Amino acid sequence: DAGVTQSPTHLIKTRGQHVTLRCSPISGHKSVSWYQQVLGQGPQFIFQYYEKEERGRGNFPDRFSARQFPNYSSELNVNALLLGDSALYLCASSLLGRGWGVDTEAFFGQGTRLTVV
Amino acid sequence: QKEVEQDPGPLSVPEGAIVSLNCTYSNSAFQYFMWYRQYSRKGPELLMYTYSSGNKEDGRFTAQVDKSSKYISLFIRDSQPSDSATYLCAMRTGGSYIPTFGRGTSLIVHP
Repeated sequence: DAGVTQSPTHLIKTRGQHVTLRCSPISGHKSVSWYQQVLGQGPQFIFQYYEKEERGRGNFPDRFSARQFPNYSSELNVNALLLGDSALYLCASSLLGRGWGVDTEAFFGQGTRLTVV
Repeated sequence: QKEVEQDPGPLSVPEGAIVSLNCTYSNSAFQYFMWYRQYSRKGPELLMYTYSSGNKEDGRFTAQVDKSSKYISLFIRDSQPSDSATYLCAMRTGGSYIPTFGRGTSLIVHP
């Protein structure tokens, strides 16, 4: 059974450009969350989507946006890239939209390593 | 002050040692506590999950939560070189389903 898949795995962009990152959740999972992990730090929450609706948004500027498609896959878009956007972007999927529990494990993908130069 | 504090390490131990990893937190509303393991260049993997105070054991791993002290721990017995990774604590309230992560502790188990 395939896990959470993210594409691309690595990406190099120039300041001011736009980037789209993609995530396919585990089959049957309807919730997708996005996190930014800067080197040496823990993941910081960006967005959570459940059944194509935004359920939560972290403290990130409007340059960050996301959406979830009918097949539950998701895209994270970042406009006007800054050097500080360089990070590992993680996607996590879960069975239910609400939380991480004994019967609702959160599974992370391998991430997309974004470098802004 | 961050909501969740975690010493980044690195923590270097010999194979077979008992490892103790810890996090402190400031939000008394946190009720769900998790430990993730992250290997280099990989995504985090959920290792242990605990609700409220108490202990939970799973094989070589034991998670402890002391809500009165706002302190959680992960113990690894008989540590192996394959345990070398970054260990992230995470926690959330009952009302919010978004966990807050610590910065992670880098663990190195040498043969």
